Amino acid sequence: QKEVEQDPGPLSVPEGAIVSLNCTYSNSAFQYFMWYRQYSRKGPELLMYTYSSGNKEDGRFTAQVDKSSKYISLFIRDSQPSDSATYLCAMSLINTDKLIFGTGTRLQVFP
Amino acid sequence: DTEVTQTPKHLVMGMTNKKSLKCEQHMGHRAMYWYKQKAKKPPELMFVYSYEKLSINESVPSRFSPECPNSSLLNLHLHALQPEDSALYLCASSRAGQSNEKLFFGSGTQLSVL
Repeated sequence: QKEVEQDPGPLSVPEGAIVSLNCTYSNSAFQYFMWYRQYSRKGPELLMYTYSSGNKEDGRFTAQVDKSSKYISLFIRDSQPSDSATYLCAMSLINTDKLIFGTGTRLQVFP
Repeated sequence: DTEVTQTPKHLVMGMTNKKSLKCEQHMGHRAMYWYKQKAKKPPELMFVYSYEKLSINESVPSRFSPECPNSSLLNLHLHALQPEDSALYLCASSRAGQSNEKLFFGSGTQLSVL
């Protein structure tokens, strides 16, 4: 079993839709949870960062962490064509400088 | 300046060549990273430098040789690579190399080994 599982997609939605992206993980010791967005031929860019369980909102983006279920989500409201990218979840333990990435979900938002 | 700059953007090399990838940041970050990313795969950690000292080597073959000349610069020296080493090589930096820090990535060097 991989440490972090993520559906690779592609996920194709119309403009304006609510998008839900998810990751599951196996190591209950993970404490820091992140979502990165990666456009084609570019480096990943940090979108959301959450410590332990709970929700965090930033504009159209909401990140949720459910540590009891070992499940994290990223919601995108009012999706735009410019949101078309690969979304990578990532997580880490306390006191390490190593991130564990999911495989990434490719999202396509069509006009 | 919140950028991590990588050069070159593209590199084609033969299996007998020696080349170097360069990475630069001016954010005062003290941790710098090399990642390798194959198409449609997540980034894989190769090396971490923390305060200019190599702190993590993820069992990377010796044909990849990292170097951190100072806190702003990170190099990756390449020698006798194999075609399967073709990938996007990403540099990243963070403030001090702690797990709760934001990683800033460069745009990468797309490497093709012929």
